[in-house]
Amino acid sequence: DAGVTQSPTHLIKTRGQQVTLRCSPISGHKSVSWYQQVLGQGPQFIFQYYEKEERGRGNFPDRFSARQFPNYSSELNVNALLLGDSALYLCASSLSKREASYNEQFFGPGTRLTVL
Amino acid sequence: AQKVTQAQTEISVVEKEDVTLDCVYETRDTTYYLFWYKQPPSGELVFLIRRNSFDEQNEISGRYSWNFQKSTSSFNFTITASQVVDSAVYFCALSEAESNYQLIWGAGTKLIIKP
Repeated sequence: DAGVTQSPTHLIKTRGQQVTLRCSPISGHKSVSWYQQVLGQGPQFIFQYYEKEERGRGNFPDRFSARQFPNYSSELNVNALLLGDSALYLCASSLSKREASYNEQFFGPGTRLTVL
Repeated sequence: AQKVTQAQTEISVVEKEDVTLDCVYETRDTTYYLFWYKQPPSGELVFLIRRNSFDEQNEISGRYSWNFQKSTSSFNFTITASQVVDSAVYFCALSEAESNYQLIWGAGTKLIIKP
């Protein structure tokens, strides 16, 4: 069975541009979470979506937005990119809407975003 | 204040040595959960273990073992007879009600196993 997939693998943008990252969860998983991992740090929670509804939001500015589609795949959008947005963006899927404490999350390989 | 502290930034040992990765957490909740994840160079985070705050029994899984001590707010991870394939960054994470049960991650410990 396929794991969590993310696209693209790598992305280079310039300041002020907009970017869309994509995630396909494991088949049967209805919950998708997004994390930002800056080099040398642990992941930071951005969003959780379940059944197309936002279930949780981390401490990120409104430039960050996301959505989930009927097939449970998800997109993360970041507008007006800043140098500090350079990071590995990780997507995780889990079976239900319950929080991470109840559900094992399965992570994708991430999208490496570089903002110049 | 850091809720999850992994004081060891990098550890390097020779293959077959035992190694312990430290994790200290901070929470005011009585119900919380602790996790360890492994992140190999490929980037995917791999789930290793989840413990809840009411279960202080130590756990062993093959060469891996975990020591949970509420008295010192620690959840340490030991690899016995380390192997080169164990080389990765290891993260400790906390899930608590105050943070809406989303994962709060430590900064990670990079483990290098030399042949």
